[in-house]
Amino acid sequence: GESVGLHLPTLSVQEGDNSIINCAYSNSASDYFIWYKQESGKGPQFIIDIRSNMDKRQGQRVTVLLNKTVKHLSLQIAATQPGDSAVYFCAENTGGFKTIFGAGTRLFVKA
Amino acid sequence: GAVVSQHPSRVICKSGTSVKIECRSLDFQATTMFWYRQFPKQSLMLMATSNEGSKATYEQGVEKDKFLINHASLTLSTLTVTSAHPEDSSFYICSAEWGPTYNEQFFGPGTRLTVL
Repeated sequence: GESVGLHLPTLSVQEGDNSIINCAYSNSASDYFIWYKQESGKGPQFIIDIRSNMDKRQGQRVTVLLNKTVKHLSLQIAATQPGDSAVYFCAENTGGFKTIFGAGTRLFVKA
Repeated sequence: GAVVSQHPSRVICKSGTSVKIECRSLDFQATTMFWYRQFPKQSLMLMATSNEGSKATYEQGVEKDKFLINHASLTLSTLTVTSAHPEDSSFYICSAEWGPTYNEQFFGPGTRLTVL
């Protein structure tokens, strides 16, 4: 079936370094993608989104890149901080506004 | 704005009992809400789409008679886990859809269900 998946289940980075979290999606018809951050015992928190008519979008310290040719999505976090430690999910918004989540990547930030 | 709450945040019940979880949109009206289940160290799995005033749409493999969903108002959806068993123990998360153009989803804080 359709799915959104992640290449790396865990990522460990040094505080201050940049982090890159990758995601592959399988539904070429998807036109809206979202990155969420989830801290332990909490619901997902919206980070940034991107529509399929764009290939890059920047927020505060975060950038999302979309490559529709290879159906790949990435989240870049600049100057990673300890507070960025969490699980990050990419999600795909399908027709009918259902959001399908990827497997998740746990980000560890070493002080 | 766009705050979603859930109640209770944590519940422990005996096997065979039913548990009701509430999802409320606090400062907006949501015609559509979604229910997810998340097992430890796993992703969120969509269970059903809750539509105000109509029957919920369940994902494949989700038993509608076991997970009863009611969306009686534009700010409240409830999920009732009937005859709960230990394998139903999970983190249940709801989200509500809102937005002037492309509807965004806002997530609740989740409900931890433990069935003994």
